[in-house]
Order: sequence, then C-alpha cells, then structure tokens
Amino acid sequence: AQSVTQPDIHITVSEGASLELRCNYSYGATPYLFWYVQSPGQGLQLLLKYFSGDTLVQGIKGFEAEFKRSQSSFNLRKPSVHWSDAAEYFCAVGPVGGFQKLVFGTGTRLLVSP
Amino acid sequence: EAGVTQSPTHLIKTRGQQATLRCSPISGHTSVYWYQQALGLGLQFLLWYDEGEERNRGNFPPRFSGRQFPNYSSELNVNALELEDSALYLCASSLDTSGTHNEQFFGPGTRLTVL
Repeated sequence: AQSVTQPDIHITVSEGASLELRCNYSYGATPYLFWYVQSPGQGLQLLLKYFSGDTLVQGIKGFEAEFKRSQSSFNLRKPSVHWSDAAEYFCAVGPVGGFQKLVFGTGTRLLVSP
Repeated sequence: EAGVTQSPTHLIKTRGQQATLRCSPISGHTSVYWYQQALGLGLQFLLWYDEGEERNRGNFPPRFSGRQFPNYSSELNVNALELEDSALYLCASSLDTSGTHNEQFFGPGTRLTVL
C-alpha cells in the first residue's frame, strides 16, 4: 500500500541555519510527490511538486526538494531559515490506486529559534 | 483569482446532530476533495467528486456523505455526530483530472467541534 513516512515529528532550527526535512515513501510506480506547508489554523499551501524529469525541484519561498528513487526519498531543503518558516510541513504522494487522492505523511513541525 | 473557500470557519455541534460543511472550488476546477485532519490521526482522505459524481471515498463510515453541485461547489454532510468527528475538514480542488495528475489547492478548512 502507498504510504509516506516523515520520521521527524518536531525539528528546531536556528534562524539563518539550513533546513532539511525528511520524507520517505512507499509506492508501486513512479510517484507524484508534493510538499505542503500549514501555518497554525490555516489550510495547506503547496510548496513544490515532482511529477517527472529533473529530480531537483524548486518551489516557493526558497524551498527545494530532491527526488531520490534509490532511497525512496523526497527531502525538503532550505539554505537559510526565516522565523516565518515556522509551521507544519507535510509530504504527500499521489495518485493512489488510480484515484486522484493524496496520501499524506504525519507532518513535521518546524520551530525556528532566534 | 480567488482560492478555494470554505464555510463556516468554525462549527460547534453536539453528539447525534448533523453537520453540513461547504466548499467552493477555484474557478475552472471541476474536482473537489475532502480531507479530515483530526488530532493524532493526520490528514485522511474522505471523498473525491468530479463532474458531479462521487469518484472515490476513503475509509469512513456511510454517515460521512456529500455531493457536488452543477457549479462544482460541494457539500460534506456528517450525520449522527460523534466526539471523534471533531477535526479540521479541508477541501481541495483541482483541474479536470483526465490525463496527468493535477495538483490540489486547499481551502482554509472548517473546524468542527462536537461536544
């Protein structure tokens, strides 16, 4: 069955430091992969997506992610974190079972220290 | 361009009551998805509507139902509310899903509290 694992529940990063959020997936074919961000009390905003082609994808707000098929990973990175990046981050995979739905990881909460 | 909108923002009900949540997709989007984000359970897929038809549903009991109207807006109904139905309900929309997978754009959610 398709699944997504985000092994880190919480991560604390100092402002200005680099960030890497981990995402591993289980999927029978080439997946479509997504990273979403959710600020407190808000909906989800798409940061970036991978469908095919270049395995390094650029997103909004200075984020990037790299698809590594051999490791079944799609880690999210940012070279320099800003205090406004504090939020919850979700990795997702789809479609699932031929249906246009997303399966999400459990999320990683990012805390940014001054 | 307006994003996905949901109403109400908050909804408080008591056990056994019915709740109705509404969603308006981005203009031009024909698919609507509903997800439940409950504490400790993460984001769970509920329902997918496309062109007025239910295309897929997640592992939820039949008391979770919905519909999609001719203008592509959607309604989620939860009957016989239980305490564990308390959650943030997120609606998303996407373009016509024929062909390649289309990214889903999410609304701000409806916070349902069951007392």
